[in-house]
Amino acid sequence: EVQLLESGGDLVVPGGSLRLSCEVSGFRFSNYEMTWVRQAPGRGLEWLAYISSSGENIYYADSVKGRFTVSRDNARNFLFLQMSSLGVADTAIYYCARHDYNYGLDHWGPGTLVTVSS
Amino acid sequence: QSVLTQPPSASGTPGQRVTISCSGSSSNLGVGYVYWYQQIPGTAPKLLISRDSQRPSGVPDRFSGSKSGTSASLAISGLRAEDEALYYCASWDDNLSGWGFGGGTKLTVL
Repeated sequence: EVQLLESGGDLVVPGGSLRLSCEVSGFRFSNYEMTWVRQAPGRGLEWLAYISSSGENIYYADSVKGRFTVSRDNARNFLFLQMSSLGVADTAIYYCARHDYNYGLDHWGPGTLVTVSS
Repeated sequence: QSVLTQPPSASGTPGQRVTISCSGSSSNLGVGYVYWYQQIPGTAPKLLISRDSQRPSGVPDRFSGSKSGTSASLAISGLRAEDEALYYCASWDDNLSGWGFGGGTKLTVL
């Protein structure tokens, strides 16, 4: 069974940093591209970052470019999102999602909550 | 402002057929597939339709998708109370080099 589980969400002060993790199981992680998506309270889905299966190709949304860094550890089946210079607008549930060539974002984790507040 | 455009709300009565539209551009729907997701509040999005009209295993055939040019739609027939949820369309956007989402449509079953 394909499973994704995010962790690392927390309350952080504006200007702070946080590292999110996404542990996957049930599939060959190294064969799949991955994506981070977030959802602010009461708002829609916002794509944040994409990373290719090898980690060689990475793309970011303009809203997080220069502040967030996506990476992966294919040996340990982990996806990461390093976030810095956080602002209140970054308060959201953060989801990791598997990117399948045929099915798009076909599996999602339950999400982890990041709250940026003083 | 969302990359794709959806109506904010839709509604229907049990047994009815409802459709939700999704409008994009030449950099997303015009060159790629549309995907539809269902989100029950408090839970993660769930894939409903892939590659314009394909239903993943386990998705009832009451759900169907179509696309023409830069517009797409999701149809739900035989509406049921459990279909009340948020529905999002999505597509890879070549200008973003990333995923574009619609703003979401809240479906109410009256």
